[in-house]
Amino acid sequence: DIQMTQSPSSLSASVGDRVTITCRASQSIKTFLNWYQQKPGKAPKLLIYYASSLGTGVPSRFSGSGSGTDFTLTISSLRPEDFAIYYCQQSSSVPFTFGGGTKVEIK
Amino acid sequence: EVQLVESGGGLVQPGGSLRLSCAASGITFSNYWMSWVRQAPGKGLEWVANIKQDGSEKYYVESVKGRFTVSRDNAKNSLYLQMNSLRAEDTAVYYCASTPIFKDHFDYWGRGTLVTVSS
Repeated sequence: DIQMTQSPSSLSASVGDRVTITCRASQSIKTFLNWYQQKPGKAPKLLIYYASSLGTGVPSRFSGSGSGTDFTLTISSLRPEDFAIYYCQQSSSVPFTFGGGTKVEIK
Repeated sequence: EVQLVESGGGLVQPGGSLRLSCAASGITFSNYWMSWVRQAPGKGLEWVANIKQDGSEKYYVESVKGRFTVSRDNAKNSLYLQMNSLRAEDTAVYYCASTPIFKDHFDYWGRGTLVTVSS
């Protein structure tokens, strides 16, 4: 199985900050990497697919990059509604696997 | 508006069975791979199983193989998960999620249904 490792597991940031979350795959997954946002008590929401494609209706302050084994999710200017948990997920091969999540908290 | 609505969760004793359902609307259900993804209380996300558009291919995470069965009824726009021999570690919110044709990501998710396995 492909292991997905996210870092950091949590971070504190202020509104307006630039935030970067990293995700590493245990083997190459090309660009079969997706990012989701989850708020408390809610279902995950797609942000980025194929490593860098923006999901429908997702604000342009979210961006993704990377290929192979190393990927990043960047929020260019953090807004209050962005405080949530972010997960990466590989869709290269089954079993599909998720990273452990990164909790973005208010500083 | 796309809606995926799960049902069938509840409290069940270890060793028991439960059947989850997911009713889809607002999408051409037969065009989508469908998955079940679960989340144990306070934990991260775990993909459980998926099924191809016509039901001809099914895949499972190792921990549920032989115990869980995914199925679908395209005429009813519905996805199912039959869960047998349930264990305490199966306790989680179970989400259904859709993957559009020729894509690989989960674009729509339901709100989830809670399964609690406890005596």
